Amino acid sequence: GAVVSQHPSRVICKSGTSVKIECRSLDFQATTMFWYRQFPKQSLMLMATSNEGSKATYEQGVEKDKFLINHASLTLSTLTVTSAHPEDSSFYICSASRTFGHTEAFFGQGTRLTVV
Amino acid sequence: GENVEQHPSTLSVQEGDSAVIKCTYSDSASNYFPWYKQELGKGPQLIIDIRSNVGEKKDQRIAVTLNKTAKHFSLHITETQPEDSAVYFCAAAISGAGSYQLTFGKGTKLSVIP
Repeated sequence: GAVVSQHPSRVICKSGTSVKIECRSLDFQATTMFWYRQFPKQSLMLMATSNEGSKATYEQGVEKDKFLINHASLTLSTLTVTSAHPEDSSFYICSASRTFGHTEAFFGQGTRLTVV
Repeated sequence: GENVEQHPSTLSVQEGDSAVIKCTYSDSASNYFPWYKQELGKGPQLIIDIRSNVGEKKDQRIAVTLNKTAKHFSLHITETQPEDSAVYFCAAAISGAGSYQLTFGKGTKLSVIP
């Protein structure tokens, strides 16, 4: 159990376009989902925390208008990179934790975004 | 906020030997310490975790120890195999009612030499 599916695994887009990444908890309900960004050979950087039915909380320095997060249900959160630029190219990873009182975080397989 | 330091950044061991990765944390309120294994191009996979009310936890070849007083915790992998080669991340969090945030170490690249 506790499977998190992230889609797509790889995406290439042109500068100026928008890209949507989906994160689904397949066999549990996730009250909270987290979005991370990871640069090559570096650790995971938390971008935002998303709670079902409410606005996401963004970390300092993360542009909320550029990285739109929607958590409309207990099993789905989406990250949309708007007006993408080459510097947005990165590995984006989501994680999900179960509902109230659980602490384990389960990660998706990540999305490699390349903006050309 | 919480700060997690992880050492070493790279580690090479011979197959069959043991590997030890150490982490320290700064916030004494942290009470949940997971370890993740990340293979190239994939998301992190939880391999073991420990809570602050336990000093040691073992799962087959993997064990984690926690010293709350010194605020450090370690991952021990025994009888290493080539498939153990990956990047390992430690993390710390303050868990309780509601959501929490993980603070990650910078990772250790483990190479197991056949």
